Amino acid sequence: DQQVKQNSPSLSVQEGRISILNCDYTNSMFDYFLWYKKYPAEGPTFLISISSIKDKNEDGRFTVFLNKSAKHLSLHIVPSQPGDSAVYFCAARRNEKLTFGTGTRLTIIP
Amino acid sequence: SQTIHQWPATLVQPVGSPLSLECTVEGTSNPNLYWYRQAAGRGLQLLFYSVGIGQISSEVPQNLSASRPQDRQFILSSKKLLLSDSGFYLCAWRKVTEAFFGQGTRLTVV
Repeated sequence: DQQVKQNSPSLSVQEGRISILNCDYTNSMFDYFLWYKKYPAEGPTFLISISSIKDKNEDGRFTVFLNKSAKHLSLHIVPSQPGDSAVYFCAARRNEKLTFGTGTRLTIIP
Repeated sequence: SQTIHQWPATLVQPVGSPLSLECTVEGTSNPNLYWYRQAAGRGLQLLFYSVGIGQISSEVPQNLSASRPQDRQFILSSKKLLLSDSGFYLCAWRKVTEAFFGQGTRLTVV
């Protein structure tokens, strides 16, 4: 049972434009949501998070939006840069467990 | 500052051989510890997590096991590897919200 889903396996965006990565979840008991960035053969690195009691969190070029009624979150990257090319995972926390989605490969086109 | 060490970085093992992957965390105490696996083309699957010494929770029934002999040490083991155990294994620690990952171990079972 995939509780956290990223339905787009890949996304290509022109450099300088906005990248929007989406994530859906099914468990309403998740209390924290996180985004990670991963390069090949490396561990994921933490990007940004949001509590379930908020609907937006911003950190520099990264903004995460949470729509609890739709059980949907998204990560906006603006402006997109070539170094943003990576696989992005969303994750959701309940108690001690972090459940990850399947990832979206973002490619920034120069 | 906190650091996480995971080794080895790559490993090639024959089917039926044992496995031992080790992970240690520095700079924190009593962290939550996690083992994840990323199989080819798939997301991050939670295998085991631990909230304290000797406390192991298993998420996926399989021929792997985990142990936490010390507060900041987490070990992933198998008595007999299967071909399907190939993948990228990641150790992570968490104290409050976000988890921090090691560099991962690429395991190839041949």
